[in-house]
Amino acid sequence: DAGITQSPRHKVTETGTPVTLRCHQTENHRYMYWYRQDPGHGLRLIHYSYGVKDTDKGEVSDGYSVSRSKTEDFLLTLESATSSQTSVYFCAIRGELADTGELFFGEGSRLTVL
Amino acid sequence: SQKIEQNSEALNIQEGKTATLTCNYTNYSPAYLQWYRQDPGRGPVFLLLIRENEKEKRKERLKVTFDTTLKQSLFHITASQPADSATYLCALDAGNNRKLIWGLGTSLAVNP
Repeated sequence: DAGITQSPRHKVTETGTPVTLRCHQTENHRYMYWYRQDPGHGLRLIHYSYGVKDTDKGEVSDGYSVSRSKTEDFLLTLESATSSQTSVYFCAIRGELADTGELFFGEGSRLTVL
Repeated sequence: SQKIEQNSEALNIQEGKTATLTCNYTNYSPAYLQWYRQDPGRGPVFLLLIRENEKEKRKERLKVTFDTTLKQSLFHITASQPADSATYLCALDAGNNRKLIWGLGTSLAVNP
């Protein structure tokens, strides 16, 4: 158990509303990631963080913002949700062993935007 | 840009046989390549990592090979069991900023 929890696990919302997904880790790891997973696209990186207040964009960052004010928490915000953001969102932390970079994932947050 | 290809067709095998899954990449050889397992409704789980200077890595019934000439990694599950049924994802390092490039995964079904 990598000590990662995501909340909420399921959410249904309406187009145009703001949504925040939370990722909490108990491992004190430096790198945290937000991915979305969709059929036919696989895992796509939205944003990642390499420390408190240090974040960077991934390949599908439009429409998303992130914040990391504490090592243990990484928040993903959809400022104005759209139907194209209906997806399963996974948070991950990077293992700290050397430079091998294996990721440990949370259980996912399923978001439906109506 | 780097791309990963995994068999899109599901693989069905009989219990006890060896399952072999393929991961091909198109561009530069990555410093390492990783394999993950994903069950329906769950997050991916890390299984094995192989570095570019390693030809083979084993862990219990799992074996991974890495051929930089063919730009290919093979993932083997020997003595397969129905509990091995899952989707298996290949990922390789993107060369910078601690990011990974992911394949779409191959679905494996082991029939009793």
